Amino acid sequence: DTAVSQTPKYLVTQMGNDKSIKCEQNLGHDTMYWYKQDSKKFLKIMFSYNNKELIINETVPNRFSPKSPDKAHLNLHINSLELGDSAVYFCASSLRTSGSDTQYFGPGTRLTVL
Amino acid sequence: SQQGEEDPQALSIQEGENATMNCSYKTSINNLQWYRQNSGRGLVHLILIRSNEREKHSGRLRVTLDTSKKSSSLLITASRAADTASYFCATPPNYGGATNKLIFGTGTLLAVQP
Repeated sequence: DTAVSQTPKYLVTQMGNDKSIKCEQNLGHDTMYWYKQDSKKFLKIMFSYNNKELIINETVPNRFSPKSPDKAHLNLHINSLELGDSAVYFCASSLRTSGSDTQYFGPGTRLTVL
Repeated sequence: SQQGEEDPQALSIQEGENATMNCSYKTSINNLQWYRQNSGRGLVHLILIRSNEREKHSGRLRVTLDTSKKSSSLLITASRAADTASYFCATPPNYGGATNKLIFGTGTLLAVQP
């Protein structure tokens, strides 16, 4: 069974469009994350939710809006896509918010903005 | 700025050889974690070492931590072609705020030639 799943795996779209990426975890974890990995493989946290509440919000343009309908799901909506948004987006989850908790990553969504 | 810097950026070895990669970080930490990322996949947690530990083993992995030098190393012994991947160190910064915010290093790309 897939622990952390993301859809879609690939997303190709035009500048200015709005798109969403969905994430689901079946591990029973309380905490979920979104990361962005750029072309140089630099991985940076964007958001973290704990039990549907936002607890980490890095310096991310407000075109990015995460939504957590329940603690098993954390979706990422991006408005007015820009070329610089092209990257691989990873969802992850952990049992709690402790810095010692292992984070489990999804397979990633490769977003290409043309 | 980014917490972890890793070296080398890339490492190519023959199967059966040992691979060593290093990570340096800037602020005090509670723990340091190593993750592996196979090409086109999400990250997988390998091992966590706490700030009061100096060395830790897991199978063919050996991790050391030197808090005085703010550095860690990951040794993979008797490497296999399947070990080919990018390896990242990650730390939750110990400056307060969200403790589950992992800061990732720049990564080492390991290629094990069969």
